[in-house]
Amino acid sequence: SQQGEEDPQALSIQEGENATMNCSYKTSINNLQWYRQNSGRGLVHLILIRSNEREKHSGRLRVTLDTSKKSSSLLITASRAADTASYFCATDAYNDYKLSFGAGTTVTVRA
Amino acid sequence: GAVVSQHPSWVICKSGTSVKIECRSLDFQATTMFWYRQFPKQSLMLMATSNEGSKATYEQGVEKDKFLINHASLTLSTLTVTSAHPEDSSFYICSARQGDYNSPLHFGNGTRLTVT
Repeated sequence: SQQGEEDPQALSIQEGENATMNCSYKTSINNLQWYRQNSGRGLVHLILIRSNEREKHSGRLRVTLDTSKKSSSLLITASRAADTASYFCATDAYNDYKLSFGAGTTVTVRA
Repeated sequence: GAVVSQHPSWVICKSGTSVKIECRSLDFQATTMFWYRQFPKQSLMLMATSNEGSKATYEQGVEKDKFLINHASLTLSTLTVTSAHPEDSSFYICSARQGDYNSPLHFGNGTRLTVT
């Protein structure tokens, strides 16, 4: 199964700033999902964007998908200390319904 | 919302013993559950897909006899690490999907296994 690659690996920002992270993948997908993981915990689903969608919003989160470039981005606006976590993209490849996770971006929001 | 409960949250065991980890979907039925392994500061690695009423599907490189998976009901899957060794120490996370492939995964809170 494929695995996405994310960059940057780590990101440190000041509270109130925006955080952007990117994900690239290799083969055709049904959808792409973003998850958050707090240290030592399970993952929490943030957003799912289907392959025929280009942009999706949920609260302070904005996700874009460019299937021609096989890439996605996650933007967190007006970040808060509580946004400190690792963020993973996951792809559900076409005809393969297992999720493959990227390496993750660790975001630290400084108060 | 869909909740997945995983137990225990942490366990310490001696080398050579077996450890069972339970994963339950509390408010939905899950015909398929997924077991992942995560090393510190790394991504999740899919170990196997657990199918209710049938054998699990293991990913390449995962030993079936070491990581026994049983999915006896629509709400319970178990992972047993048999004859555990220190290299099996890791964070194990289960997940389940409520709905079709365009539905998100719901994750348990993971189990930290330490083998001494």
